[in-house]
Amino acid sequence: ETGVTQTPRHLVMGMTNKKSLKCEQHLGHNAMYWYKQSAKKPLELMFVYNFKEQTENNSVPSRFSPECPNSSHLFLHLHTLQPEDSALYLCASSQDISGSYEQYFGPGTRLTVT
Amino acid sequence: QQQVKQSPQSLIVQKGGIPIINCAYENTAFDYFPWYQQFPGKGPALLIAIRPDVSEKKEGRFTISFNKSAKQFSLHIMDSQPGDSATYFCAASKGGADGLTFGKGTHLIIQP
Repeated sequence: ETGVTQTPRHLVMGMTNKKSLKCEQHLGHNAMYWYKQSAKKPLELMFVYNFKEQTENNSVPSRFSPECPNSSHLFLHLHTLQPEDSALYLCASSQDISGSYEQYFGPGTRLTVT
Repeated sequence: QQQVKQSPQSLIVQKGGIPIINCAYENTAFDYFPWYQQFPGKGPALLIAIRPDVSEKKEGRFTISFNKSAKQFSLHIMDSQPGDSATYFCAASKGGADGLTFGKGTHLIIQP
């Protein structure tokens, strides 16, 4: 285990639903990330938080809303998603963003939008 | 614009062979180049990483070769085993808030 946990592991939701993904890291890191992994596409960085402050929003649609209440927890709130949003959503953490520190990934949440 | 190009997309090697996966990058500001291994149903796991001040790094059976002038780096797996069958991703970073830029991945199969 990497020390990064994600819940739920699988989620099926309709386009009108609201749901949240949760990530928790037990590594004492200060930076947390959300990535999207779709079939046949590279992992895409969505959001970056450093010391609870959002530092990057990689042109992500507003139907994805992140929240970072503290350095150990990260949420991704989902609402009115589209079928093309179906993917594996991965959370990662690193010591911080100053320098190219190793990032450690959680197991991901497999999201299916129907 | 894909900043990190990875090849091949898939690779089949016999047990004991040496699979080689190649990556090329465009941004000369990148200064950290990790490789990740991902098994089905799991998140990517950091395997080995290199910085541009060295041309080679070995950790166990895994070796990264780095060519700064060509802006290329590669992963070699010595004495490959069926348990090495996975998807491998190269990545690059210049630190800061940009996170990691990933290649598209290589699906590796090691046949017994």
